[in-house]
Amino acid sequence: DTAVSQTPKYLVTQMGNDKSIKCEQNLGHDTMYWYKQDSKKFLKIMFSYNNKELIINETVPNRFSPKSPDKAHLNLHINSLELGDSAVYFCASSQELSRALHTIYFGEGSWLTVV
Amino acid sequence: GENVEQHPSTLSVQEGDSAVIKCTYSDSASNYFPWYKQELGKRPQLIIDIRSNVGEKKDQRIAVTLNKTAKHFSLHITETQPEDSAVYFCAASKNYGQNFVFGPGTRLSVLP
Repeated sequence: DTAVSQTPKYLVTQMGNDKSIKCEQNLGHDTMYWYKQDSKKFLKIMFSYNNKELIINETVPNRFSPKSPDKAHLNLHINSLELGDSAVYFCASSQELSRALHTIYFGEGSWLTVV
Repeated sequence: GENVEQHPSTLSVQEGDSAVIKCTYSDSASNYFPWYKQELGKRPQLIIDIRSNVGEKKDQRIAVTLNKTAKHFSLHITETQPEDSAVYFCAASKNYGQNFVFGPGTRLSVLP
């Protein structure tokens, strides 16, 4: 009965490969996100997406691309993986109940290791 | 854009003592300030939040205070317990998406 679920939880892959991480939320939220958490635990937003717009953090390489087949799903596709892409990737979602009230709920994280 | 700073980066307290974590933000238009707790190997989870029209909010052993003039807000945990050990993140927001910015986190260790 997980609210925000993402798969796989662990992924080990070689440099240069292409991989995807899937995310689904059953909260009926309007907005979904991808965050990257590096080894220093910094939480950095990569993308936010709702049915109106995709907002991309300008620091994210274009090897990363979000894909949203519908409102409840936001998948992350990564091309040509690099060692520095190793991190924990968190999917999240939120609902704008009122202006500025849009608490973010996180998935369990996907541990990506590039070797 | 918004910038959120958080101090200290690590904090060790004895069980039963209080812990205080402070955050500052740069964008005066930010009006929502949640705190997240992340236990080892788990997801960040919301523990308390405060809106800009409120100066203080309390929920059992945790409380958050907000000073809009100074643009800082703090998390207070009283009677700390070992299970409070985790990384705590503050965040500031004025809208969804790119404007939701997290602080760098504070690793709290509660020593028995």
